[in-house]
Amino acid sequence: GESVGLHLPTLSVQEGDNSIINCAYSNSASDYFIWYKQESGKGPQFIIDIRSNMDKRQGQRVTVLLNKTVKHLSLQIAATQPGDSAVYFCAESLYNTDKLIFGTGTRLQVFP
Amino acid sequence: GAVVSQHPSRVICKSGTSVKIECRSLDFQATTMFWYRQFPKQSLMLMATSNEGSKATYEQGVEKDKFLINHASLTLSTLTVTSAHPEDSSFYICSARDPAGDQETQYFGPGTRLLVL
Repeated sequence: GESVGLHLPTLSVQEGDNSIINCAYSNSASDYFIWYKQESGKGPQFIIDIRSNMDKRQGQRVTVLLNKTVKHLSLQIAATQPGDSAVYFCAESLYNTDKLIFGTGTRLQVFP
Repeated sequence: GAVVSQHPSRVICKSGTSVKIECRSLDFQATTMFWYRQFPKQSLMLMATSNEGSKATYEQGVEKDKFLINHASLTLSTLTVTSAHPEDSSFYICSARDPAGDQETQYFGPGTRLLVL
């Protein structure tokens, strides 16, 4: 079936550097995308979202980019901090449905 | 705002027993809640959509008689794992949408770790 996938299972970055986490989705009918952060033993935490009528959205230290042509989503974290270490999931929502389909996740490791 | 809680946070039970997990929206009313299961180092898999006042909608492959869902009020949904077996051991997470906010954003609870011996 269709799914959301990630290119890199683990990403290691140095503190202070920028991080880019990528996600590929396959369902062209998806019109809403969300990035979640999950720390060990906890539930996912909402980071940022974007609708399909946009290609970029910025938050505090985070930016989400959407490329519908190649069905690609990315999360950029500026000045990565140790507290950013977690697993990051992208999720897509199909048009006119309640459901979220989660990607496989990328572990972000921040080292000093 | 948009806080979701779960209880218990961790439960250990013997094989064959039933376990009830509660999901509450603390500062908003949620007509729809979702239940997910997450195995170690894997992603979240949607099990069912819980609708207040009506039957839950289960995803393909999820046994509705094994995973009983009750959404009796606008702030509470419960998941009961009946006759639990070791393969049911997992991290169960619920989510809810805040109708006052972006109706598509799901806010997640802290999860319940179930270990069946």
